[in-house]
Amino acid sequence: GNSVTQMEGPVTLSEEAFLTINCTYTATGYPSLFWYVQYPGEGLQLLLKATKADDKGSNKGFEATYRKETTSFHLEKGSVQVSDSAVYFCALRGGGYNKLIFGAGTRLAVHP
Amino acid sequence: EAEVAQSPRYKITEKSQAVAFWCDPISGHATLYWYRQILGQGPELLVQFQDESVVDDSQLPKDRFSAERLKGVDSTLKIQPAELGDSAMYLCASGPRGSLDTEAFFGQGTRLTVV
Repeated sequence: GNSVTQMEGPVTLSEEAFLTINCTYTATGYPSLFWYVQYPGEGLQLLLKATKADDKGSNKGFEATYRKETTSFHLEKGSVQVSDSAVYFCALRGGGYNKLIFGAGTRLAVHP
Repeated sequence: EAEVAQSPRYKITEKSQAVAFWCDPISGHATLYWYRQILGQGPELLVQFQDESVVDDSQLPKDRFSAERLKGVDSTLKIQPAELGDSAMYLCASGPRGSLDTEAFFGQGTRLTVV
């Protein structure tokens, strides 16, 4: 079945550093891919999405490109801020009834 | 802005007791999901509804968990009897009817502690 694999955290960075969080997937057909973010004490909210190969999703300085040849959807940001500290989840929608499944999450901690 | 409402926010219950969670999705959303999120892990889909029908409950422990969505609007997830291992965050989400590229909108969750 479909699955999502994320790099393990925590990822600890200094403010203004470059961020990459790796995400790879296994799926039949042509799924849509998402990044969700969960700030402390809050629910999950959509950060960005891409619905077909070579699409780039972007929001709040974050971006990710849907790479079908490498089955990847890595999250990047050029300069992180302390306020970006959160848990980031890669997700995939596909299969019967367009089931939405998540990776294990990657915790990001940004220090001043 | 429309939101997914969940209650209660927090619940402490003794093992072997029954517990129930309630979710009110965004108006007009045909799809409703219940996820379980154990601390430090990603959300695991327990059950997915399309209108009032269950379309996926493959990961729902059916000997103790049940879910219903009468009239295709709000939904209740029940655990009876609760076990220590059920301690987790229970998330409800909703979304438009079965479209591949639409996001799911999440509520704040119910944090369950079984003692």
